[in-house]
Formats: sequence, structure tokens, C-alpha cells
Amino acid sequence: DTAVSQTPKYLVTQMGNDKSIKCEQNLGHDTMYWYKQDSKKFLKIMFSYNNKELIINETVPNRFSPKSPDKAHLNLHINSLELGDSAVYFCASSPFPRGARGETQYFGPGTRLLVL
Amino acid sequence: AQSVAQPEDQVNVAEGNPLTVKCTYSVSGNPYLFWYVQYPNRGLQFLLKYITGDNLVKGSYGFEAEFNKSQTSFHLKKPSALVSDSALYFCAVLKTGGGNKLTFGTGTQLKVEL
Repeated sequence: DTAVSQTPKYLVTQMGNDKSIKCEQNLGHDTMYWYKQDSKKFLKIMFSYNNKELIINETVPNRFSPKSPDKAHLNLHINSLELGDSAVYFCASSPFPRGARGETQYFGPGTRLLVL
Repeated sequence: AQSVAQPEDQVNVAEGNPLTVKCTYSVSGNPYLFWYVQYPNRGLQFLLKYITGDNLVKGSYGFEAEFNKSQTSFHLKKPSALVSDSALYFCAVLKTGGGNKLTFGTGTQLKVEL
């Protein structure tokens, strides 16, 4: 009964390949996010979707394309993988941000991507 | 632009001693502040948050944090550290409006030794 789950947990691939990471949440949340954690453990938001609609897109290369088939799923597709894409990618979800309530984001276990 | 700073890359403390992990913030408007913990090869776990109200916030695993508006700080504390508390701790500030965006600090590695 994992709240936010991601697959795969590990992903090793060659430069130039295309890969996808899947995320699912069973918390009934409306909003989902993708964060990237680099080799220095620095965390930065990439995207956010609310009920299948993109609401945050943080200057991420267009090789990265999020897709939300429904509000419980947010997948991340990466085209033409580069060495610099190696990182841990975290999915998160939260209730819909309604004004100043400071909704908590709950994170998945992460997907460790290594591009060779 | 909002930001958080965690001035210490690593904090070492003996088991049973009190611990403090420091965080300062810079935001326009009211701050919404969070602490998360990351154990090795694991995801981030929510510990606690400050939205409004009492400056002392209690969270999971015996952790608490004190919001200090005049010093723009939100330090994480625990009265008695455990070896199992050893992990990477992140402070974060939430920007509301236009999507909820968490901006994280650089993280502080806590090492609790016997």
C-alpha cells in the first residue's frame, strides 16, 4: 500500500536512448511533481501537474516530457539521454494547492538513472 | 526569489545528546517551511512543517523545529539523538501561487555516533 510509487527503481542505459519513468500515487491527491536530485544531492523541481494539467515547468530541456494520463499517474519520458541526465528522479504528490495552506508533498522512493 | 540556506554540510553528535540542524530562509510574504529526511538510497520523508501559529512545531520521530521570524530561521532540533537518526536532512520553503513549488536547501548530513 505504498503511497507514492515509482518504476523502475534503477535504470541504466546508454547515451542517446529514450526512457520512461512511471509514477503512481494512491493518496487521492490532485497534484503531482517531478524533482531531480543531482550527484551533490541538490534537489530541484522539474514539473508539476494538477489534475492532468501542467502548472509548473522549470526551464527543463524539451527532451524531458511529462505525461499525466490521469490524476493518479505522472510519467516522465526522456529522449536522447545525455550523461548529465544521470541523477535520482523523485516523484511527489500533494493535495491541490488551495491558497495559503502549505500542502505537504509526499515523495516516492526515487528512480536512480545512470546514463553511460 | 525564495531560498533556504543550510550552513552546515555535516553535523556530528553523540547519541543521547541534543542535536540541532540549522536552516535560514529568505522569502517575500509569509514563509511555509518544511523539513524532510532522506535515508540512504531512500526517498524523502516528511518530518514537519510550519505554516502559521505556534513557533515551535513538533513532528515525526521526536523532532521539532523552531520558527524565528526575526532571525529568519527554522532550525531542526531533537532533545536526544539516536544512531538511527543519521541521515540527510533537507530544509525547504514552499512558494504558493502558480503551483506549489518546494525550494530545497543543500542538505545537512547528520551523523550520530555511539
